[in-house]
Amino acid sequence: EIVLTQSPATLSLSPGERATLSCRASQSVSIYLAWYQQKPGQVPRLLVYDTSNRATGIPARFSGSGSGTDFTLTISSLEAEDFAVYYCQQRSNWPLTFGGGTKVDIK
Amino acid sequence: EVQLLESGGGLVQPGGSLRLSCAASGFTFSSYAMSWVRQAPGKGLEWVSTLTFTGGSTSYADSVKGRFTISRDTSKNTLYLQMNSLRPEDTAVYYCAKDRGSRGSTAYMDVWGKGTTVTVSS
Repeated sequence: EIVLTQSPATLSLSPGERATLSCRASQSVSIYLAWYQQKPGQVPRLLVYDTSNRATGIPARFSGSGSGTDFTLTISSLEAEDFAVYYCQQRSNWPLTFGGGTKVDIK
Repeated sequence: EVQLLESGGGLVQPGGSLRLSCAASGFTFSSYAMSWVRQAPGKGLEWVSTLTFTGGSTSYADSVKGRFTISRDTSKNTLYLQMNSLRPEDTAVYYCAKDRGSRGSTAYMDVWGKGTTVTVSS
């Protein structure tokens, strides 16, 4: 099973700041990594798939990068609605696995 | 509008069974792989099971293998999760989710239902 480790666990930032979230895989997942956003009381929303492709309707301030074992989700300028928990997920190998999440909260 | 609506959750004793349903609408149900993902209270996401768009292949997390069965009825546009031998650690919100790709399996989930809560406790 591929283990995904997200860091930091919590990121405290102000609106307008840049957020950089990390996801590290225990073995290579090539480019087969996605990012999801989950706000309190809401369901997860797919943001990015295959490392860097934004899902339908996702704003351009969200971007993904990386390959192999190290991946990054960047939010270029945080808006109020971006404060949430973010999960990475790999589809390179079964079973599908998620990271433990990074909470982005307001500083 | 693409929608998924789960039902069937509830309180069950350890060792008991439940069947979850997920009613799909707004898309060609038979053309998409479908998955169940769960989230224990205050915890992260855990993939549970996936059914391919053909309905001919299934995958399960080790934690549920042999106890849970995923299936679908395309005439009713409904996905199911039969859960047997339930354990307290199965307590979670169970989400039904649609695959991003048509007639294939990207194993990324682009539409999620609101979830149904399963509580396993005596």
